Amino acid sequence: ETGVTQSPTHLIKTRGQQVTLRCSSQSGHNTVSWYQQALGQGPQFIFQYYREEENGRGNFPPRFSGLQFPNYSSELNVNALELDDSALYLCASSLTSGRSHTQYFGPGTRLTVL
Amino acid sequence: GNSVTQMEGPVTLSEEAFLTINCTYTATGYPSLFWYVQYPGEGLQLLLKATKADDKGSNKGFEATYRKETTSFHLEKGSVQVSDSAVYFCALMGYGGATNKLIFGTGTLLAVQP
Repeated sequence: ETGVTQSPTHLIKTRGQQVTLRCSSQSGHNTVSWYQQALGQGPQFIFQYYREEENGRGNFPPRFSGLQFPNYSSELNVNALELDDSALYLCASSLTSGRSHTQYFGPGTRLTVL
Repeated sequence: GNSVTQMEGPVTLSEEAFLTINCTYTATGYPSLFWYVQYPGEGLQLLLKATKADDKGSNKGFEATYRKETTSFHLEKGSVQVSDSAVYFCALMGYGGATNKLIFGTGTLLAVQP
């Protein structure tokens, strides 16, 4: 059973550019959640995808968008990058079934915006 | 709204000392509670969880008991090791809405000295 994987590991962009981050969910999971973790802070919820539909969104602007594919992998897209977007982006997968929704995290993508 | 409060770090202990990291929460209903651990440069790993009042989660010598009367989920370990040095995050997941998102505390840095 493979765990959650993310790519790339690190990324450097400049202000105004666009970026796409990728996540492969754990085998058997149907839900992907994305979080932003600024340095020294706890992760903040960006949005969640369930069966290819957005299933909730945190307090992030529309320039943060996402997709989930039929194989349950996911992408996070950020347009018009700002300096404050520099952070560790974490993807978590889970199985939405009954009351159990335990989320398992990938290693993250470190984004630096210059 | 739902929130998590953790004791501020860093917590510095000698090897084999007893560890307690306090965590309290505010939530409506009956959330599930989690402890995640983050080693330097890595993503989050699930350490333990509890889904209802009086449940005790345990893993790798760590324990935490879901106390609804005090809205707490304190993390304990009887004898820490240098390898336990990491950042520990307390988190909750509420129910009742469409989105099962995690709400994290700010994290507590644990440094164990030999």
